[in-house]
Amino acid sequence: DTAVSQTPKYLVTQMGNDKSIKCEQNLGHDTMYWYKQDSKKFLKIMFSYNNKELIINETVPNRFSPKSPDKAHLNLHINSLELGDSAVYFCASSQGQGPRASGNTIYFGEGSWLTVV
Amino acid sequence: KQEVTQIPAALSVPEGENLVLNCSFTDSAIYNLQWFRQDPGKGLTSLLLIQSSQREQTSGRLNASLDKSSGRSTLYIAASQPGDSATYLCAVRPANRGSTLGRLYFGRGTQLTVWP
Repeated sequence: DTAVSQTPKYLVTQMGNDKSIKCEQNLGHDTMYWYKQDSKKFLKIMFSYNNKELIINETVPNRFSPKSPDKAHLNLHINSLELGDSAVYFCASSQGQGPRASGNTIYFGEGSWLTVV
Repeated sequence: KQEVTQIPAALSVPEGENLVLNCSFTDSAIYNLQWFRQDPGKGLTSLLLIQSSQREQTSGRLNASLDKSSGRSTLYIAASQPGDSATYLCAVRPANRGSTLGRLYFGRGTQLTVWP
């Protein structure tokens, strides 16, 4: 059973296109995240949702729009793709946030490799 | 702002060696620290999570320690095997401070190669 699954795994697209990456978790967690790993392998948070509510919105271009239809899903839509958007995008989930959830492990999906040409 | 540094960036050892990976962070106000493993083309697998009140955690051949006051953690791998070859990432979860709620700050990882 895949705990955090994201699709597609690989995506090659042209500049200017709009694309979406979908993420689903079957762990019953109420918090989900999108992280970006750049070409230098540096992982940085983009967004965090708790019970479908946006909690963290890092300094990300507004071409990136997350959508959480329910707490098990967090999709990432990217408009007008640019070359610099090429990266690996990781979805993750955990149970809760804050002090009461500080001991909770964050589980990651296997990543979506986006290449913009 | 929290910064996480991992040393060394890469490590190549023969099978059977005991080794230590280092992680340091600049802000000691953390809730926990987590060590992950990343295999090529794969996601992150959580190895160990240490609460800020704990000093160490063990799982099999892995032992992670935390010295919060000095901003340091080490991951000790005993009797290394070729299957341990991967990138090891350290991440800290800062104490709640508004916009830092729930996020992890990652180091850039240590790429480990264990050869037979």
